Amino acid sequence: GENVEQHPSTLSVQEGDSAVIKCTYSDSASNYFPWYKQELGKGPQLIIDIRSNVGEKKDQRIAVTLNKTAKHFSLHITETQPEDSAVYFCAASTGRRALTFGSGTRLQVQP
Amino acid sequence: DVKVTQSSRYLVKRTGEKVFLECVQDMDHENMFWYRQDPGLGLRLIYFSYDVKMKEKGDIPEGYSVSREKKERFSLILESASTNQTSMYLCASSPLGLYEKLFFGSGTQLSVL
Repeated sequence: GENVEQHPSTLSVQEGDSAVIKCTYSDSASNYFPWYKQELGKGPQLIIDIRSNVGEKKDQRIAVTLNKTAKHFSLHITETQPEDSAVYFCAASTGRRALTFGSGTRLQVQP
Repeated sequence: DVKVTQSSRYLVKRTGEKVFLECVQDMDHENMFWYRQDPGLGLRLIYFSYDVKMKEKGDIPEGYSVSREKKERFSLILESASTNQTSMYLCASSPLGLYEKLFFGSGTQLSVL
């Protein structure tokens, strides 16, 4: 089955800096790559997703890039703010089965 | 606003007890899921259901069963709780044909003593 690896496990940045979280996947048939944000005491929430026919997608301060050849994708957060502090999960799916999640990255934005 | 509600935020049970975790969604979604979340392991799929009375095993189904008698309700059952089932349990739902876009509940932190 699919295996998704996520790095780093923890990330601390200063407010205003950029943050990058990287994931690799194993199943070349995967074609859908979402990112979820989990705030303290809450369930994960979808923040952005990308499909395999697109190399990059942006939504305000967040962007996701996909390299199908290398089988890796990344989340980029620019101009980080304290409210960006959370646990972020990447995931992958072939569309025929439920999502496989990465192990999570705890992002801490220092004011 | 969409809503997935898990019946308990915290639950403490003893080894060997039968445990029921309840989840209700109000979005008329076909698909419902149970994940467990452990530090360093991310979210791992236990079971999912794509229709009433239909279920499929996920990646770690051992020691668990599920029930979906009504479309809006999906229950996770620990037949005989063990200490290694101490974890955060997350329920989620998604619309028909969109396994990918999950809506999660806030989770149940289960401690088995």
